[in-house]
Amino acid sequence: GAGVSQSPSNKVTEKGKDVELRCDPISGHTALYWYRQSLGQGLEFLIYFQGNSAPDKSGLPSDRFSAERTGGSVSTLTIQRTQQEDSAVYLCASSSRTPSGGEKGTYNEQFFGPGTRLTVL
Amino acid sequence: GEDVEQSLFLSVREGDSSVINCTYTDSSSTYLYWYKQEPGAGLQLLTYIFSNMDMKQDQRLTVLLNKKDKHLSLRIADTQTGDSAIYFCAEILFSGGYNKLIFGAGTRLAVHP
Repeated sequence: GAGVSQSPSNKVTEKGKDVELRCDPISGHTALYWYRQSLGQGLEFLIYFQGNSAPDKSGLPSDRFSAERTGGSVSTLTIQRTQQEDSAVYLCASSSRTPSGGEKGTYNEQFFGPGTRLTVL
Repeated sequence: GEDVEQSLFLSVREGDSSVINCTYTDSSSTYLYWYKQEPGAGLQLLTYIFSNMDMKQDQRLTVLLNKKDKHLSLRIADTQTGDSAIYFCAEILFSGGYNKLIFGAGTRLAVHP
């Protein structure tokens, strides 16, 4: 079956421009995550969606970053007024659900997309 | 605080064993994970271990967990060129009402003939 897809695969933009990155999760997956992968810095959590709501936006690095999810499916990560330090690979992941409360410590596998490589000149 | 640390680079000869090490901070983590990222691809779950286990073996992969020292390792036996990738260690953290993965920086494994 289809996995997580992201578009575009590569994006080159000029400093100060806005960009939109798209994620199509696996059909039926209610949980969706955005991460940023910078060289030598591992994966940095950005935001988590459960359905269309985002209970955890704590990882968004500044107010230039925002994300939305509509219809419990596609998500868009928007970066306004891009800066050179925004250059990174942006990864999206989805899972069937994320346990909480009484299921503390359990986990449903996150399936990752191939990422969008963003270069800000 | 949340922190997962791993060395950034490992080079091994084809056929030798590779050992990738990781330290984590949250003693309440119930699961610990190894993800693999091949060039140009997303991350793929390689294996995981439950915190009440010391060891887990899956074909060429052996995961060792030392809870006292908060140390996790991944051993790949008979390393092949196809094993060249970045390997990420991750711990699970219950935060903000849900379970969240905290990743290390990744260890780039280079396999040479």
